[in-house]
Amino acid sequence: DAGITQSPRHKVTETGTPVTLRCHQTENHRYMYWYRQDPGHGLRLIHYSYGVKDTDKGEVSDGYSVSRSKTEDFLLTLESATSSQTSVYFCAISVGTLQETQYFGPGTRLLVL
Amino acid sequence: SQQGEEDPQALSIQEGENATMNCSYKTSINNLQWYRQNSGRGLVHLILIRSNEREKHSGRLRVTLDTSKKSSSLLITASRAADTASYFCAAALSSGSARQLTFGSGTQLTVLP
Repeated sequence: DAGITQSPRHKVTETGTPVTLRCHQTENHRYMYWYRQDPGHGLRLIHYSYGVKDTDKGEVSDGYSVSRSKTEDFLLTLESATSSQTSVYFCAISVGTLQETQYFGPGTRLLVL
Repeated sequence: SQQGEEDPQALSIQEGENATMNCSYKTSINNLQWYRQNSGRGLVHLILIRSNEREKHSGRLRVTLDTSKKSSSLLITASRAADTASYFCAAALSSGSARQLTFGSGTQLTVLP
């Protein structure tokens, strides 16, 4: 089974502070994703990566940046957190023979005061 | 904008009854997937149906796809209290990366014992 850990699992921060969320996978999966989940919106893609140093924007990328310097780690950074970024953040990887389905991490709850 | 829109937003049934959830999408797809999310957890992949398939079964799950109507349905037969969760459809768009998914806003299913 693919293993994904997210850290921290919960975080409270103040508006204007930088925040970095980490996603770590234990296998060499190529594709990694960051989503946010808000009531009434389902999951929305923030950024994704298709390899080391290869990343691209998703549907709601404004205010977020990502980095992937190693296959196993995909970092999501909020440069200057705003209250609208209060959300639950999920990391996912593409799995399966054709890499078509996604396996999700446990999520990070972020509260921006 | 979201590709997948589920209907209904919430569904409450008695144990043993069947539950049907519907999903509509807007553009051409490579495949349509269904995921389940228990409260406070990450999403779990349930089933994938390709654009050239009309029906697929997995255990108590039955998925149909009507590409002419751009819609899919998920049927859970003989529901159990443990089926209580949110269910999301996710579209792999023809126009995007085959690995990217666009999620709907979900159906909250409650199965009463």
